[in-house]
Amino acid sequence: EPEVTQTPSHQVTQMGQEVILRCVPISNHLYFYWYRQILGQKVEFLVSFYNNEISEKSEIFDDQFSVERPDGSNFTLKIRSTKLEDSAMYFCASRPTGGFGYTFGSGTRLTIV
Amino acid sequence: GQQLNQSPQSMFIQEGEDVSMNCTSSSIFNTWLWYKQDPGEGPVLLIALYKAGELTSNGRLTAQFGITRKDSFLNISASIPSDVGIYFCAGPGRTSGSRLTFGEGTQLTVNP
Repeated sequence: EPEVTQTPSHQVTQMGQEVILRCVPISNHLYFYWYRQILGQKVEFLVSFYNNEISEKSEIFDDQFSVERPDGSNFTLKIRSTKLEDSAMYFCASRPTGGFGYTFGSGTRLTIV
Repeated sequence: GQQLNQSPQSMFIQEGEDVSMNCTSSSIFNTWLWYKQDPGEGPVLLIALYKAGELTSNGRLTAQFGITRKDSFLNISASIPSDVGIYFCAGPGRTSGSRLTFGEGTQLTVNP
């Protein structure tokens, strides 16, 4: 079964530092997403990406965040000047054109200290 | 924005019991999705519903898309310990990115 792969699985970062979360979506999927889940809360949408550009972003996704697809396989989320409240699980997801067969990765647990 | 309200928030049941949980919205969704999340993992799609009134099964799981398109329920029959986890309903928006809006989740505990 094809998977969405996320690295690292855990990341501890000093407040104020930059962090890059990495994802390898399923190879024939064209839509890519980042979601966030603060401990004990629901999954929240951050950003969607299609055709090498952001197609939609939430109010959470401010100038502190950016996404990139640096090559044909990776999809990254960069968080600059991290804050304590950025601590959460970050999930990458992808889906093909048509239908809503989103596949989520196992997540990166980000802890800001 | 769109919001999904899930109930109950948590359930504690005995192995073998049936479970029912539901999800409601103040706005219409054209697709309803049910996900399960195990601890430390990402959500895994259980059932997708695409048509109002649709009733779909996946093994011991059955889900229905409400006629009003504002609600859905998920039933689990003859629960087993590995059913433990958080169950989320979700619906895609109508924007080009088709962002998913998730419910708050139902935490299910199954006692052997």
